[in-house]
Formats: sequence, structure tokens, C-alpha cells
Amino acid sequence: QVQLVQSGAEVKKPGASVKVSCKASGYTFTTYDISWVRQAPGQGLEWMGWISSNNGKTNYGQNLQGRVTTTIDTSTSTAYMELRSLRSDDTAVYYCARGGYRYGYDYWGQGTLVTVSS
Amino acid sequence: QSVLTQPPSVSGAPGQRVTISCTGSSSNIGAGYDVHWYQQLPGTAPKLLIYLNSNRPSGVPDRFSGSKSGTSASLAISGLQAEDEADYYCQSYDSSLSGVVFGGGTKLTVL
Repeated sequence: QVQLVQSGAEVKKPGASVKVSCKASGYTFTTYDISWVRQAPGQGLEWMGWISSNNGKTNYGQNLQGRVTTTIDTSTSTAYMELRSLRSDDTAVYYCARGGYRYGYDYWGQGTLVTVSS
Repeated sequence: QSVLTQPPSVSGAPGQRVTISCTGSSSNIGAGYDVHWYQQLPGTAPKLLIYLNSNRPSGVPDRFSGSKSGTSASLAISGLQAEDEADYYCQSYDSSLSGVVFGGGTKLTVL
């Protein structure tokens, strides 16, 4: 069965960086994009960006441009999301999800809580 | 402010039918981009409920239905059950932002 398993919770100080992993299994990794979505406490969903698992092409949300980078390792079927220059308002649960804007996100990771606090 | 506008909350009694609207603009839903809907139960990841405006993934009950017209879309839930109590989000693509956009979410309360 399709699974996306994310890395564990992180606590970071303002100004630091965080890298979250998302290991896919149960399907051919290179046939679906991987997207990243975050959710601040008590808030709605915010799209962060996507990466093509086929060619590594990326697209990021305008509000995160310059601070976020998504990468993939096809040898381990793992996607990564790195967010830099962390601020307190980056505290959120970060999700990876399979798919792109055309067909929606049909499988989601369990989420990774990133807490930014001094 | 979300690019896609949803009512913050809706409610209904068991067995009733409720609808959740998702209002966009000419750069997203009105431009022809499809709408997808997600259900998020407390403390869990979102789950795809409706894709491509009106299609249900395998396993989603036919009590859930979606539609799209003009610059808006709607999610309808009939035969409300207590287990439907959750947050619901619509999602589309916006050409002005060159990215995916979500609605602000609607909390469904089953009375």
C-alpha cells in the first residue's frame, strides 16, 4: 500500500534551518510529484511547493520564495523539504503529499511538527 | 485572507444535507482550474474527498458529492453522520500566483 512516512518532530531556534524528510513506498516514486503543505496551530492549510519526482523541477509558493528548497533522492524514494531563516510563525505541522495541482493530493504523510522557539 | 473563500462553519443534524461553498475568481476556479476537496479529522492529516470537481476516490461514500460552476465550487454532504464532523478544505490552482491555493477551511458540526 502507498505510504509516505515523515521524519520526527523538530525544535529549532529563530534563524536556524530545518530539513524534513518524506519516504515513499508502495508505488513507483518517479511517477508522481511530491508536494509540501503546512498547517500552523489552529489554522488552515498552506501550500508550500512541489517537486517533480521525475525530473526534479520545482515550484514554490510566493510567500516562501528564497527560504524553501525541496529535493528528491530517487535511489531511496525520499523527498526533502528544507526551510531556512526560521521564524516563530513557521511553527506548524509540515505535510508531504503525493500529487500535484491537477489531480489533488491522494496520499499524505503523517505530518512533522516543527516548533520555532528561542 | 485565503484566495478561495469558504464559510468558517456549517452545521446540521444527523441525516440532514449540508453544502460548503468555495468561491474563487477568474484566475483560479473561473479560469477553468479544477477543484479538489479534503476532509481533516482532528489531529490527522487531510484526506482527499473529491477530486477533479466531482469525482470520489475509492472508499469515499457517495454521500459526498462535488460540483463546480463559474468561479465557485460546492461540496455537498447528505445523510449527515456524527463521523462527518471535521474540517473541510477546497483546493485549486491560481494562475496569478502560479501556485496551489487552498480555501480557509470550514468546520462542520453535526448537532
